[in-house]
Amino acid sequence: QKEVEQDPGPLSVPEGAIVSLNCTYSNSAFQYFMWYRQYSRKGPELLMYTYSSGNKEDGRFTAQVDKSSKYISLFIRDSQPSDSATYLCAMSAPEYGNKLVFGAGTILRVKS
Amino acid sequence: EAQVTQNPRYLITVTGKKLTVTCSQNMNHEYMSWYRQDPGLGLRQIYYSMNVEVTDKGDVPEGYKVSRKEKRNFPLILESPSPNQTSLYFCASSLYGRDEQYFGPGTRLTVT
Repeated sequence: QKEVEQDPGPLSVPEGAIVSLNCTYSNSAFQYFMWYRQYSRKGPELLMYTYSSGNKEDGRFTAQVDKSSKYISLFIRDSQPSDSATYLCAMSAPEYGNKLVFGAGTILRVKS
Repeated sequence: EAQVTQNPRYLITVTGKKLTVTCSQNMNHEYMSWYRQDPGLGLRQIYYSMNVEVTDKGDVPEGYKVSRKEKRNFPLILESPSPNQTSLYFCASSLYGRDEQYFGPGTRLTVT
């Protein structure tokens, strides 16, 4: 079993839809949770960063962490074709030298 | 402009021919790492470095070497490449490792 599980998709939605992307994990030591966005032929770039449980909002993006369920989510409101990319969740724990563990990534396609 | 650069961006080589992929960052970051990205497996860490002359293995270090003689540079060395090292490689840097990682543009390596 992988430490971090993420549905690879692809997830295809119409423009304007609310998108929900999710990851589950098995290691309760994880404390820092991130979402990266990766456009085709580019390196990943940080989208959201949260510590421990709770919600964080930034514009059209909301990140949620539920440590009791070992489940994290990224919501995208009013999705745009420019949101089409691969979304990678990542997490780390101080006990493991702060190394990031990534999910496999979910491919999102927003159709205009 | 803050950035991580990698060279070359594309490389086709033959089995056993030693190669080096360079990585450089201009943000004075302590932490640097190398990842490989394969379909369905996401990003997997190869090696990381917490500071000059301090390096450690990640999840998939076999067949790779690194060095950190200067803070800004972190080259990846494949002494005897094999076809299973065909992959997309990313270099990344950050202040602490668990914070935002800045990724380079990637190096697509093909070993025949």
